[in-house]
Amino acid sequence: TQLLEQSPQFLSIQEGENLTVYCNSSSVFSSLQWYRQEPGEGPVLLVTVVTGGEVKKLKRLTFQFGDARKDSSLHITAAQTGDTGLYLCALGNEKLTFGTGTRLTIIP
Amino acid sequence: DTAVSQTPKYLVTQMGNDKSIKCEQNLGHDTMYWYKQDSKKFLKIMFSYNNKELIINETVPNRFSPKSPDKAHLNLHINSLELGDSAVYFCASSHKGIEAFFGQGTRLTVV
Repeated sequence: TQLLEQSPQFLSIQEGENLTVYCNSSSVFSSLQWYRQEPGEGPVLLVTVVTGGEVKKLKRLTFQFGDARKDSSLHITAAQTGDTGLYLCALGNEKLTFGTGTRLTIIP
Repeated sequence: DTAVSQTPKYLVTQMGNDKSIKCEQNLGHDTMYWYKQDSKKFLKIMFSYNNKELIINETVPNRFSPKSPDKAHLNLHINSLELGDSAVYFCASSHKGIEAFFGQGTRLTVV
């Protein structure tokens, strides 16, 4: 059973549009990390959220941690081609368990 | 300076061979990991070491043997390679599961 489900699995949108991807769990987690992985590279950490209801912004990216700490979302405003990649959420636990991933493609 | 470096980046080998992948981190982290990423891009943990001690072994065949000579190194040796072992293997390090840094990956192809 996958602990962290991400949706959608695939997403292709035009440059300039907004999008939201989700990370959900049936269990409460103490902290959650978001990573982006580009082709041929390892995942790179974007942000860590710790407090229920927390919102963090990283330029055009907005990360939210659900109040119940069982879900998180990543919203991208005015997507750019450089945002293309695999977005992964991960539990900040001993195993650093990763979600199923969302493959995002921004079309010029 | 590369924070987490793993070698080689590409590895093509025949079934039945034995191969090793090396990983080094210069971040002073206490925890190191090996992950396997399959063709569907799912990242699955294989092993985790904390201060040279094995703490997680996720039902990986015993053909896979990690070795940590010191805190900064975690190598992966694979015996009797099989076709199903073809994947990208990532080494990573972190301080207690917070903010992991990954290597560039080793693309293993077994033919």
